[in-house]
Amino acid sequence: AQTVTQSQPEMSVQEAETVTLSCTYDTSENNYYLFWYKQPPSRQMILVIRQEAYKQQNATENRFSVNFQKAAKSFSLKISDSQLGDTAMYFCAFMKLSLVGNQFYFGTGTSLTVIP
Amino acid sequence: DTEVTQTPKHLVMGMTNKKSLKCEQHMGHRAMYWYKQKAKKPPELMFVYSYEKLSINESVPSRFSPECPNSSLLNLHLHALQPEDSALYLCASSFPRRGNTGELFFGEGSRLTVL
Repeated sequence: AQTVTQSQPEMSVQEAETVTLSCTYDTSENNYYLFWYKQPPSRQMILVIRQEAYKQQNATENRFSVNFQKAAKSFSLKISDSQLGDTAMYFCAFMKLSLVGNQFYFGTGTSLTVIP
Repeated sequence: DTEVTQTPKHLVMGMTNKKSLKCEQHMGHRAMYWYKQKAKKPPELMFVYSYEKLSINESVPSRFSPECPNSSLLNLHLHALQPEDSALYLCASSFPRRGNTGELFFGEGSRLTVL
């Protein structure tokens, strides 16, 4: 079975500063995907960034980047130049490829507050 | 069109009512999901449809009954719910199986309150 652990239930960061959210996972799979999703108080879950396990290069999307350490099974999210709109719950997710439909496993989430 | 649309956004029902939640996507996705989410918690998987067939049922009580009339629509029929079923119900879709990045696209959710 796959497990995803987010050890930081709550975090805060000053506007314009950088913050890193941690995520670790446990799996015996070799081919999988990892995601960070953001859920603002308005509630829609939005994809922030994805990482394919077979790619060594860390994914980057504008101010968001990941540090993917496959051997350590670690997948942290770095948010640079934090903005007030980054205030949200952040969920790390593991996706296992499956013939019956890709299966997703979510971490417990980190509530991030950006302070003006 | 990259949206998953859910209706209604809010629903209040009594324990003896029958209601339905609806979900629609036009992205050509062939996998559709129902999740239940409590406040400040991760989504909990309820059902997965892959190519309009129920492929995963996570031991959900029979008072929740999913239906997938076609590749674009997903319903969740509700009957004789309990107050503890009050939650945000999220619909999501994705490309199934291998060959795609497969990320989930979520709707805004239906906020259900059971009185």
